[in-house]
Amino acid sequence: DAGVIQSPRHEVTEMGQEVTLRCKPISGHDYLFWYRQTMMRGLELLIYFNNNVPIDDSGMPEDRFSAKMPNASFSTLKIQPSEPRDSAVYFCASSVLGGYTFGSGTRLTVV
Amino acid sequence: QKEVEQNSGPLSVPEGAIASLNCTYSDRVSQSFFWYRQYSGKSPELIMSIYSNGDKEDGRFTAQLNKASQYVSLLIRDSQPSDSATYLCAEGDDKIIFGKGTRLHILP
Repeated sequence: DAGVIQSPRHEVTEMGQEVTLRCKPISGHDYLFWYRQTMMRGLELLIYFNNNVPIDDSGMPEDRFSAKMPNASFSTLKIQPSEPRDSAVYFCASSVLGGYTFGSGTRLTVV
Repeated sequence: QKEVEQNSGPLSVPEGAIASLNCTYSDRVSQSFFWYRQYSGKSPELIMSIYSNGDKEDGRFTAQLNKASQYVSLLIRDSQPSDSATYLCAEGDDKIIFGKGTRLHILP
């Protein structure tokens, strides 16, 4: 199994631009999670899906953030418009109930 | 609001000694607890899960859970330089909440 696949690995964008992060979960995993990691705040849960349905988006910081899961093998996290304070590493993770498997992350820098 | 608390460290331990990492959590309902290891610039990887009170051993790692005290610990025996990393404590049954991690440094 290739594991959880995220793209891009690195993204540098200008403030105000739209950013789309992508994730392919492990086949058969019915939970998908989006986390953001910064030095100050650690790993924060943004949103999670079960069987492609959003279950809890209470961690999404504001309306500029949105996430979709159109099918069992693909999810996106979109930031529009991006701001410098969105700079972080964004991780996608998937699981059946129990511990997660994380993707390699996307390092986002907004300048 | 669920919270998981860890000492940020760094915790320095001589090679070959036992490293002891501790964590407290706020959610009395949680049944599932985890320890993840994260090397610098890498993603977290699951090293231990524990669901019931007591000890769980896996190789050099032992996880300990005390639900009455809302306390989880991780012991690493015969510490190796390759164990130097940040260790994240986590709890949750569907969504998992992470502590900010303890940096562990094994001294050769």
